[in-house]
Amino acid sequence: AQTVTQSQPEMSVQEAETVTLSCTYDTSESDYYLFWYKQPPSRQMILVIRQEAYKQQNATENRFSVNFQKAAKSFSLKISDSQLGDAAMYFCAYLSGTYKYIFGTGTRLKVLA
Amino acid sequence: DVKVTQSSRYLVKRTGEKVFLECVQDMDHENMFWYRQDPGLGLRLIYFSYDVKMKEKGDIPEGYSVSREKKERFSLILESASTNQTSMYLCASSFLLNPGVGLRHREFFGPGTRLTVL
Repeated sequence: AQTVTQSQPEMSVQEAETVTLSCTYDTSESDYYLFWYKQPPSRQMILVIRQEAYKQQNATENRFSVNFQKAAKSFSLKISDSQLGDAAMYFCAYLSGTYKYIFGTGTRLKVLA
Repeated sequence: DVKVTQSSRYLVKRTGEKVFLECVQDMDHENMFWYRQDPGLGLRLIYFSYDVKMKEKGDIPEGYSVSREKKERFSLILESASTNQTSMYLCASSFLLNPGVGLRHREFFGPGTRLTVL
């Protein structure tokens, strides 16, 4: 069965610095999607970034980028120039072949002024 | 913008009560989902629906049922609420991007309902 692991329950970063959130997953599938979702304190979950497994190029969305290592089954999120508004719970998620997402347990990111 | 709304942000119920959580999406999405979110456990899928009147069990369906009579509305029902169902409940809807060109999902979440069962 597929699993998603986020080993960092909580992380802190100084404003304007860079932080990397870790995610590993386990699957025997070759075609799948990986996501990072952000859940701010107001609770509405929003999509941050998505990576298709067949693409070798790492996805980037403004200050957010991923380091996708398919062989190592690793999918980390890098946030550059961290802002106070980046403070949130971040969930890594996996999707393959069905409607069911598999979510990690989340990493709470604190941004220090 | 896609909107997924949930009927309540906060709800307090008593043990044994029947509880209805409503979710509505306004973008004609085929798929709708109910998750519960608990600290240290992430999001766990309770039920999902890929069409009107269709439903499938997720990972933790026990103690819950669902109803989807209209495409835009997906209801989660707790037949007899128990204290271990105190949790945050998130509804989501999704659609296929470029159907026929691989599986390309985009999922949208509601704001959540914090349910407390006393």
